[in-house]
Amino acid sequence: QKEVEQNSGPLSVPEGAIASLNCTYSDRGSQSFFWYRQYSGKSPELIMSIYSNGDKEDGRFTAQLNKASQYVSLLIRDSQPSDSATYLCVVRGSARQLTFGSGTQLTVLP
Amino acid sequence: GAVVSQHPSRVICKSGTSVKIECRSLDFQATTMFWYRQFPKKSLMLMATSNEGSKATYEQGVEKDKFLINHASLTLSTLTVTSAHPEDSSFYICSGGGAAYQETQYFGPGTRLLVL
Repeated sequence: QKEVEQNSGPLSVPEGAIASLNCTYSDRGSQSFFWYRQYSGKSPELIMSIYSNGDKEDGRFTAQLNKASQYVSLLIRDSQPSDSATYLCVVRGSARQLTFGSGTQLTVLP
Repeated sequence: GAVVSQHPSRVICKSGTSVKIECRSLDFQATTMFWYRQFPKKSLMLMATSNEGSKATYEQGVEKDKFLINHASLTLSTLTVTSAHPEDSSFYICSGGGAAYQETQYFGPGTRLLVL
C-alpha cells in the first residue's frame, strides 16, 4: 500500500507569518510531487509541482523536496486569510498512480 | 493551466434513477481521466481511471456496474451513477491529464449529487 502522510491539522498561523505544510511518502520510486489547494465545497487547484530535490519558488509559495528522506513540504510566506484552505499533497508513484494525502487544514488568522 | 469542465454542477434526483455526469477537457487532450468522490470533510477517493478508447480501471470496492464510465474521445469522459441511492450522495470530481511523470492533473469544478 503506497501511502502519503500529512498532518491533518488544523494548522493556524497569524496573518503575515510563514505557514509550513509537510508531507511524507512511502514509494521510494516516486518522481512527481504536487501541492493542491482545496477550498471548502470546491475542487482542488494546483499550487505547485516539484520533480527534483531542492527548493522551487513561485511567488509566496516554496516547495521543498528531499527524495532521500521521502519528504516534501510547502512553505507559504506572508500568509493571508485567503490562504485558509485544505492543502493536499499528491504524489505520482513509480507505477504512475496518483496518491493523495488526507490534507492539512490551514487557517490564517487576521 | 488547462481547463476541465463538469456538467452538471449540481443535481438532485430520486432514489432509483440514473444520473450522468460529463467531464470535458476544454483546451487539451486528456488521454487519461480520473473520477473521484469526496464525502464531507474527507479526502478525495479515487474511484476509477478511464483511458480513451478502452475500459476503465476501477479501484477496489467500487462497483463497476453501478458507476459506468465511458471515455469515448480525448476530450470527454462520462460517469453514470445507475440506480442511485441516498448513500451515493457525494461530491464527484473528475481530473484530466496524462500518465507521464510530469503531466499534471487538472481538476474539474465538481458535481454535487444529492439522492433523495
